[in-house]
Amino acid sequence: GQQVMQIPQYQHVQEGEDFTTYCNSSTTLSNIQWYKQRPGGHPVFLIQLVKSGEVKKQKRLTFQFGEAKKNSSLHITATQTTDVGTYFCAGHPSTGTASKLTFGTGTRLQVTL
Amino acid sequence: DGGITQSPKYLFRKEGQNVTLSCEQNLNHDAMYWYRQDPGQGLRLIYYSQIVNDFQKGDIAEGYSVSREKKESFPLTVTSAQKNPTAFYLCASSNSGTDHSPLHFGNGTRLTVT
Repeated sequence: GQQVMQIPQYQHVQEGEDFTTYCNSSTTLSNIQWYKQRPGGHPVFLIQLVKSGEVKKQKRLTFQFGEAKKNSSLHITATQTTDVGTYFCAGHPSTGTASKLTFGTGTRLQVTL
Repeated sequence: DGGITQSPKYLFRKEGQNVTLSCEQNLNHDAMYWYRQDPGQGLRLIYYSQIVNDFQKGDIAEGYSVSREKKESFPLTVTSAQKNPTAFYLCASSNSGTDHSPLHFGNGTRLTVT
C-alpha cells in the first residue's frame, strides 16, 4: 500500500536557525497537505498543494510540491519557540481510493533559546 | 462555535472489555475519519465514512468497529480483539470525502488498556 515517509524523525534547533522536513511518497499523489501538531494537541491543517512544482509561502514557512508529485518539503526560516511541534505531511493517491488520506511519519521539531 | 468533540479525553479499561469512543461534529461535514496515533508512527487510518450509513475500512481496521447512523456522529468501538489498543485516538471530519478538503480534528481520546 501507499507509504509516506518523513525525514528527519526529530530535529532540535536553536531559535533563529532554519529547519526543513522532507516528505516522500511511494506512489504519485494528487495533492499534499501539511499539518502541525503541538505537544499534547491535535493536528491542525496548515496548507494544501495540488500542482506539480508548486511553491506556497506562509510568513516564515515555505512549502514545496515536487515535480513528480511524489515528494514535498516544508522549510521554516528563522525558527521561533512557537514553531515547536510535530509536522505531518499527508497525501491522497492519484489512483485507487482517492478519499484515503495517508499521513507521513512526522517530524518533531524542538526549538530552544 | 463549530467543531469536533471527542469524549472522554482519557479512558482506562481492563483487557477483554469493549470500549466505545465518542465523536460528534457540528460542522455539517459529510466525511468523518478515525485515526490512531502511536509514538513515532504518525497517524494511521482505522475507518472512514463519506456519507451516513456507509463506511469503509482503513489501513488498520482489525479489532475495531464503527457506525454512522447520523451525519454528526461517528463512534468507534475498540473490541477485545484489538491486540494493542492502548493509543491516542483522533477523530476528524472534512467537508467531503472526495474533494480533498482538509481535515478538522478533535482533541483526541487517550485510551489505556491494562
